[in-house]
Amino acid sequence: GDSVTQMEGPVTLSEEAFLTINCTYTATGYPSLFWYVQYPGEGLQLLLKATKADDKGSNKGFEATYRKETTSFHLEKGSVQVSDSAVYFCALSVGNNNDMRFGAGTRLTVKP
Amino acid sequence: GAGVSQSPRYKVAKRGQDVALRCDPISGHVSLFWYQQALGQGPEFLTYFQNEAQLDKSGLPSDRFFAERPEGSVSTLKIQRTQQEDSAVYLCASSLGQAPNSPLHFGNGTRLTVT
Repeated sequence: GDSVTQMEGPVTLSEEAFLTINCTYTATGYPSLFWYVQYPGEGLQLLLKATKADDKGSNKGFEATYRKETTSFHLEKGSVQVSDSAVYFCALSVGNNNDMRFGAGTRLTVKP
Repeated sequence: GAGVSQSPRYKVAKRGQDVALRCDPISGHVSLFWYQQALGQGPEFLTYFQNEAQLDKSGLPSDRFFAERPEGSVSTLKIQRTQQEDSAVYLCASSLGQAPNSPLHFGNGTRLTVT
């Protein structure tokens, strides 16, 4: 079935370090791909998305490119901040019903 | 504006008890989803409503789980005869329209602990 596999955490970085969180997917159709973020004490919220191959989603300095050839959607940020500490979830949806399949989540801690 | 609201925030139930979890979606949102999130895992899809119609319940783990959205707004997830493996955070999400251009808005979840 359709699924995503993301890099296991936790990930601990110093402020201003470069971040990559890997995500690969398996899908029978043509999925849309998403990154959701969950800050401490808050609900999940959409960080960025890409709906077709080679699209790049970006928001708050984070980027991810939909790579069909490698079935990947890795999340990157050039310089992380303490406020980026959160759990990041890669997800996909196939079809029109918004049914999302989530990865297990990667906890990021950024230290000053 | 108001987001997705879930209640209660925490629920402790003795094994065998029935529980009801409530979700108030954002006003006007057509689609409503329930997810189950075990500790350290990502959300797992349970069921999906479009207005009052339950279009997909393939993720419900057993016939002890039942969801309804009778007027196309508030939804209730009911778990009968709770078991310890039901302990998880139950997330509700709503969206205005259909994927992928209509993002999901999540509530903060109900943490269910079955003792």
